Parts: sequence; C-alpha cells; structure tokens
Amino acid sequence: EAGVTQSPTHLIKTRGQQVTLRCSPISGHTSVYWYQQALGLGLQFLLWYDEGEERNRGNFPPRFSGRQFPNYSSELNVNALELEDSALYLCASSLQNYGYTFGSGTRLTVV
Amino acid sequence: AQRVTQPEKLLSVFKGAPVELKCNYSYSGSPELFWYVQYSRQRLQLLLRHISRESIKGFTADLNKGETSFHLKKPFAQEEDSAMYYCALSENTGFQKLVFGTGTRLLVSP
Repeated sequence: EAGVTQSPTHLIKTRGQQVTLRCSPISGHTSVYWYQQALGLGLQFLLWYDEGEERNRGNFPPRFSGRQFPNYSSELNVNALELEDSALYLCASSLQNYGYTFGSGTRLTVV
Repeated sequence: AQRVTQPEKLLSVFKGAPVELKCNYSYSGSPELFWYVQYSRQRLQLLLRHISRESIKGFTADLNKGETSFHLKKPFAQEEDSAMYYCALSENTGFQKLVFGTGTRLLVSP
C-alpha cells in the first residue's frame, strides 16, 4: 500500500512569490492535515480537510490556503512568500480515529 | 486551548539505562494522547497511543490525568532508539487535529 506522498520534495522560492504543495493521502483516507515544521518550533497545525471541506484552521495568516479534491488529494498554497515561511511542510492523512500517517514533507526555502 | 509541553530538548543516556521522556498537557476535557517518533532520514510515525495501552519496541506510556502527564518510558534503552520523539494531543471529540509538543531528541550512546 502506498503511503502519503508529497511533492515536490524540495523547493526554492523568492520572497513575494507563490507556491503550491501537493499531497496524496493513503487510499481510503478522507482527512488530510497540513503542518509546518519550522526550525526549533515543532509541528504547527495549518489546515485540516475532510470530505472536501476545510474543517479547522491553525493560527496562520490568510495567505496560507488550500483545498481538497474529490479524490481526497490536497494542495497547500502560500501566497506572498516571506523568509520565515521557510520550513518543512508535512502532510498527514487519517481515517476517523486511527491516528495520522505522515508524508516525507516538502522542504521550502524562501530566499 | 490545548497545549503540549515537552520540557527536555535533548535527553542523552547510555545503552541499557532507563529512559523517561516527559510530556505534560493542558486540556480541560478528556484528551487522547499519542507519541510519535522520527528516526534519522525517516518520516514521522506513530509509536503508541494511550487508548491502546500497548507496549511498542519496549516503550510504554501511561496517561496520568491527575498530573496531566503522558511520559514515555523504556526500562533499557537501545542505540536504535535514538530519534526525535513528539508527544501529541487530540480532543476526544472526533479527532479534529493533533497538537504537538516541540519534541525531545533522545540520544543513546554505546
């Protein structure tokens, strides 16, 4: 069974640009979660999607947004990139209460 | 608001020594607690959850509601236990999201 896949694995962007990160959950998982893991800050909750709807949102500005498609894959969009957006972005999927399965992440560097 | 605190950034022990990774939480309801582990160059993975009351790779964790703690313990550390460990909390009302602590790096020396 394929795990949670994220693309791209690495990305370098310039301040002010926009970026789209992608996540494919485990087959059958309907929930997708996005986390930001910045150096020294642990995992910060960004967004939760379930059945195509945004269910919960972390304490991040509106330039962080996303969506979930009918096949349950998801995109995370970040507009007007700032240097402090440099981080590892992790996606996880779950089915009801069985815990998260994480992807390997996308390393975003903003220069 | 929920909060998970892992007071130690780094815990260094010798092989065979007991290990206790501390985790305290703040939440007014009945949370569900988890431990996640990230080995070098691997993705974050679930180690154990309190409702399972199981032992994984020799690790156990007991939820102490009085002390609001969920410490991770292992009686005899192995070198392969060296990793980053994260404690996480979920509201026990439909698994909305996980709130993570900042993590503790466990280093087991030979």
